[in-house]
Amino acid sequence: KQEVTQIPAALSVPEGENLVLNCSFTDSAIYNLQWFRQDPGKGLTSLLLIQSSQREQTSGRLNASLDKSSGRSTLYIAASQPGDSATYLCAVSNAGGTSYGKLTFGQGTILTVHP
Amino acid sequence: EAQVTQNPRYLITVTGKKLTVTCSQNMNHEYMSWYRQDPGLGLRQIYYSMNVEVTDKGDVPEGYKVSRKEKRNFPLILESPSPNQTSLYFCASSFGDLGTEAFFGQGTRLTVV
Repeated sequence: KQEVTQIPAALSVPEGENLVLNCSFTDSAIYNLQWFRQDPGKGLTSLLLIQSSQREQTSGRLNASLDKSSGRSTLYIAASQPGDSATYLCAVSNAGGTSYGKLTFGQGTILTVHP
Repeated sequence: EAQVTQNPRYLITVTGKKLTVTCSQNMNHEYMSWYRQDPGLGLRQIYYSMNVEVTDKGDVPEGYKVSRKEKRNFPLILESPSPNQTSLYFCASSFGDLGTEAFFGQGTRLTVV
């Protein structure tokens, strides 16, 4: 059974810092890994999608890497801003069987960027 | 605008009173699913559908029903809600071929008293 772990559970940084969020998964047979952002009481916004054949994806100040063989992904946020404060969720889509299309989520990292 | 729309956004109901949460997507996605999010447990899949008239159980299907009569709609039905179904619910959709991006609705916060 796939399990996804995110570290740290919470992170508080001053504005302007570069930071790294970590995600690990136990079953490397994945199709893709997706990073989401969730604001309090709101839905999930997709940030980056990395296919299993890719090593990284970039969007603006965000860069996500994937090491499928070791079961790890990192989300790098450059020059953090207070508007980046949110919960960041990592999710993997497993290959094959009855888990078709299912996303397995980590518990999330609560990020606070203070001015 | 590509989106997944859930209704209602907030709902307070009493134990045993049947309710339906609607979900609609405008991206012609084959795959749709429902998740619930609970503190300490994260997001867990309730039911999913790979296409019209094709549905299957996720990890926590007890107490829920779904139907997929049209490609764009995937309602979640609680026949007899109980307090342990108080949760934040999300509908999601994606294309049928694997490895594509999932889009989520804004969520429905359900309270069962």
